[in-house]
Amino acid sequence: DAKTTQPPSMDCAEGRAANLPCNHSTISGNEYVYWYRQIHSQGPQYIIHGLKNNETNEMASLIITEDRKSSTLILPHATLRDTAVYYCIVRGYISNFGNEKLTFGTGTRLTIIP
Amino acid sequence: NAGVTQTPKFQVLKTGQSMTLQCAQDMNHNSMYWYRQDPGMGLRLIYYSASEGTTDKGEVPNGYNVSRLNKREFSLRLESAAPSQTSVYFCASSAPGVQDTQYFGPGTRLTVL
Repeated sequence: DAKTTQPPSMDCAEGRAANLPCNHSTISGNEYVYWYRQIHSQGPQYIIHGLKNNETNEMASLIITEDRKSSTLILPHATLRDTAVYYCIVRGYISNFGNEKLTFGTGTRLTIIP
Repeated sequence: NAGVTQTPKFQVLKTGQSMTLQCAQDMNHNSMYWYRQDPGMGLRLIYYSASEGTTDKGEVPNGYNVSRLNKREFSLRLESAAPSQTSVYFCASSAPGVQDTQYFGPGTRLTVL
């Protein structure tokens, strides 16, 4: 799986958009970009994923550059409950049996400031 | 649906003791996983089970054994606990597919003295 690089920490004012960057310059053509977050002491929570097109769901938007070497997770209106560690993960598909492995780095610690 | 449940939530062991961490999911997922998370670190995969009856080693399997009891349950056993196994353990499950996502349990906080 490709390695990802994220800033260790970021702050964002409550109500503003939080933009979390991720570099994955060695990503290959069949690898997806996934984002998870981990709120203090809880299990990680899936946010969004994409291959090459921008994606949006009820939680966030994912913008992937045309060369796919970087991406940005956007939380459009950050709230205090969005304070968490955000993990950007790149992974390929190993088999037809769903035994995919997620490789977690250290992520970005996002703090939402009132 | 409860999602992924784990028991116990907390456990303290002495070096050399054994214990089994339990995990169950009610989402009819085929694949299940065990991760550990040390302070300030990301999660590392210990073992996974692609489907009922199969298990495979992950990144850090030494000192652990697993059992995929049935489709719902996946247990992690420490035969002889060591202080280096002090960690938070997370279980996860996913449905098969190219774009499957993993759903995590609340974690078990284990301290080995």
